[in-house]
Amino acid sequence: AQSVTQLGSHVSVSEGALVLLRCNYSSSVPPYLFWYVQYPNQGLQLLLKYTTGATLVKGINGFEAEFKKSETSFHLTKPSAHMSDAAEYFCAVSDRGGGFKTIFGAGTRLFVKA
Amino acid sequence: EAQVTQNPRYLITVTGKKLTVTCSQNMNHEYMSWYRQDPGLGLRQIYYSMNVEVTDKGDVPEGYKVSRKEKRNFPLILESPSPNQTSLYFCASSLTRERQPQHFGDGTRLSIL
Repeated sequence: AQSVTQLGSHVSVSEGALVLLRCNYSSSVPPYLFWYVQYPNQGLQLLLKYTTGATLVKGINGFEAEFKKSETSFHLTKPSAHMSDAAEYFCAVSDRGGGFKTIFGAGTRLFVKA
Repeated sequence: EAQVTQNPRYLITVTGKKLTVTCSQNMNHEYMSWYRQDPGLGLRQIYYSMNVEVTDKGDVPEGYKVSRKEKRNFPLILESPSPNQTSLYFCASSLTRERQPQHFGDGTRLSIL
């Protein structure tokens, strides 16, 4: 069965510092992989996705993630944090077979200090 | 404007009183899903639908029903709500499974007393 683990329920960085949010998945075959962001009182917004091809994926707002099959990881990074990046981030996987099941991680809340 | 609309946004009700949360999308998307969000658990998929009259269970379907009679609508039905169904619910849609992004509604906060 698929599962997603996000390491760290809370991450705090200073403005201008590197953002690194970790995601590891468990799946018998490489799944589709996604990162979403949720701002307070809003639904989720897709940041980026990996389906096939290049393993380094660039998304919106300067975020990127790298799919590493050998490590079963899909960590999210941003070189320089901005105050507006403070939000909750979710990693998700969806299998490549039939169906439309999507499994989300528990989420990581990012705090950005001035 | 492309959107997923959920109603109501907030509801407080009592145990056992049937309720329906509506979800409608205006993008002609095939795939629609319902999720519940609980602190520390992320989002868990309740049901999904791959097209009209095609629905399947997600990870936490117990106590919920859905229907997909029209492409744009995917209501979530709680026949006999219980307090453990107090949660924040999201509806989402996408054109095809591979072609995320999923578009999410703004959420429905349900409190079952």
